[in-house]
Amino acid sequence: EIVLTQSPGTLSLSPGERATLSCTASQSISSNYVAWYQQKPGQAPRLLMYGASRRPNGIPDRFSGGGSGTDFTLTISRLGPEDFAMYYCQQYGNSAGTFGQGTKLEI
Amino acid sequence: EVQLLESGGGLVLPGGSLRLSCAASGFTFKNYAMSWVRQTPGKGLEWVSAISSGGGSIDYADSVKGRFTLSRDNSNSTLFLQMNSLRAEDSAVYYCAKGGSAFSGWYLDFWGQGTRVTVSS
Repeated sequence: EIVLTQSPGTLSLSPGERATLSCTASQSISSNYVAWYQQKPGQAPRLLMYGASRRPNGIPDRFSGGGSGTDFTLTISRLGPEDFAMYYCQQYGNSAGTFGQGTKLEI
Repeated sequence: EVQLLESGGGLVLPGGSLRLSCAASGFTFKNYAMSWVRQTPGKGLEWVSAISSGGGSIDYADSVKGRFTLSRDNSNSTLFLQMNSLRAEDSAVYYCAKGGSAFSGWYLDFWGQGTRVTVSS
């Protein structure tokens, strides 16, 4: 089973700043099959990124993803008040789509 | 608009059973894989099970294998999760989620609002 480790556990920033979240896999992830999700309190997760760097329709372009192999990042270029939330990475493309433990992005 | 409506959660005794349902609308259900993901209060996300679009491929997390059974009814756009031999550690909010393809092990592009399962005496 591939284990995903997200860092930092908590990231404290201010609106307008740039956020970089990391996701490290215990083994190489084929075809960059990594997704990122945002979850706000009391809400279901929302897909932000798939294929490491592809944004679904409706996701603002201030969100970008990158990386390959075992190291992946989610970058939010200019934080808006609505971006403060939990963020999870997920690896997929095999039978068990495991999640990282999450990064809390707080003001 | 994609909608996923979970039901069937509740309070159950250890060793008991529950059947969760997820009614889907707003997309061609039979063309997409579906999954269940659970979340313990204050904790992260745990993938539970996934089923391919036609139901021919089903996978389970080791923590639920042999106790949970996933199935789907494509004619009625509904996903089911039969949970038997429930344990306290199965207590969580269970989310139904739509896969991004027909393949069961894919990213999840839409999620329901979840149904809470509490296993306690």
